Amino acid sequence: QKEVEQNSGPLSVPEGAIASLNCTYSDRGSQSFFWYRQYSGKSPELIMFIYSNGDKEDGRFTAQLNKASQYVSLLIRDSQPSDSATYLCAVKENTGFQKLVFGTGTRLLVSP
Amino acid sequence: EAQVTQNPRYLITVTGKKLTVTCSQNMNHEYMSWYRQDPGLGLRQIYYSMNVEVTDKGDVPEGYKVSRKEKRNFPLILESPSPNQTSLYFCASSLRGPRLTYEQYFGPGTRLTVT
Repeated sequence: QKEVEQNSGPLSVPEGAIASLNCTYSDRGSQSFFWYRQYSGKSPELIMFIYSNGDKEDGRFTAQLNKASQYVSLLIRDSQPSDSATYLCAVKENTGFQKLVFGTGTRLLVSP
Repeated sequence: EAQVTQNPRYLITVTGKKLTVTCSQNMNHEYMSWYRQDPGLGLRQIYYSMNVEVTDKGDVPEGYKVSRKEKRNFPLILESPSPNQTSLYFCASSLRGPRLTYEQYFGPGTRLTVT
């Protein structure tokens, strides 16, 4: 069973700080990587995707991918209390199966 | 408004009583999928469909059935629900099957309790 692993948290950061969320994956051939945000009781919503090594920035969010080390991270700059949510990492594995594998998520708490 | 809808949103039922959770999308998406979400286990895929009449098992298909007779609808069927199927269920869709950019849109979720 291929795995996507995340620290469950909670990760607590003060307002205005940088939150760093990490995800490791086991399938070295994985192709695409996604970060979803899920508020309590709500459905996941896509924040970013990345498929090339390096950084990808979108507003306050930066996704970082290192395929050699098999990890992907999400940085949230200038964290706001509204960023408090669970962040799910999802990986498209290099198999014939058309599916994503999700991590269990990291809960982020941003305190005012 | 582009959206994925699920019904019902909440359901309490008894063991063995067949039920169907409907899922519909209005975005003309080819790919649809069902997930269940359980504490500590995350989102796990039950079934997916690449297009009409094309379905395949995900990671946890036991006890579930699906059908895809129309592009917009992808119902999840529990023929004989059991308490271990108590969970939060999400339907999702995307324009195509997995590509490099694979944005799935999720429905609002169905919270199912089987007693």
